Amino acid sequence: EDKVVQSPLSLVVHEGDTVTLNCSYEVTNFRSLLWYKQEKKAPTFLFMLTSSGIEKKSGRLSSILDKKELSSILNITATQTGDSAIYLCAVPNTGNQFYFGTGTSLTVIP
Amino acid sequence: DGGITQSPKYLFRKEGQNVTLSCEQNLNHDAMYWYRQDPGQGLRLIYYSQIVNDFQKGDIAEGYSVSREKKESFPLTVTSAQKNPTAFYLCASRLAGGNTGELFFGEGSRLTVL
Repeated sequence: EDKVVQSPLSLVVHEGDTVTLNCSYEVTNFRSLLWYKQEKKAPTFLFMLTSSGIEKKSGRLSSILDKKELSSILNITATQTGDSAIYLCAVPNTGNQFYFGTGTSLTVIP
Repeated sequence: DGGITQSPKYLFRKEGQNVTLSCEQNLNHDAMYWYRQDPGQGLRLIYYSQIVNDFQKGDIAEGYSVSREKKESFPLTVTSAQKNPTAFYLCASRLAGGNTGELFFGEGSRLTVL
């Protein structure tokens, strides 16, 4: 059965800390892995990863895929209160069903 | 502006009533999806549709029904057979085909059964 697992489930840090969120997957015929940020309502797209070992970066956020370990990490450096959100990982299967993990709830304390 | 519009944003329903959640997109996307989100459970797929007049069940389709008569519209009906319908419902769309293209999400509809 295809599945996506995220860890930790929740995290509380202080402003300025660096955090690492994990996503592991077991999906048949893997093609891509996506990260989303969900603050209140609609998840917003962060990254799509298709190739192992190539880091994608946007400001203080970065992500990398390890196809050997069937996993990805999302790093956030110098965290700010605006980074408080649920971070979701998703992997599509060959039928274009997107499997989501349970998400990591990040709280950044001033 | 292009995007996905869900309505209503909040909905209260009495037990035993069917309700329909609307999802409209003007992105010219082929594929549309309905997800349910409960605390601590991430997003679970209810139904998805890759083309007009065709749709497939997701992991938790029981108690729900959909239609896809137009490319831009994918309404979800929560029937009285759904045992625990109180949840946050998200509609999404994407260009079909290939391995590129992320899901775009609407703002969601929060359904509460009284």
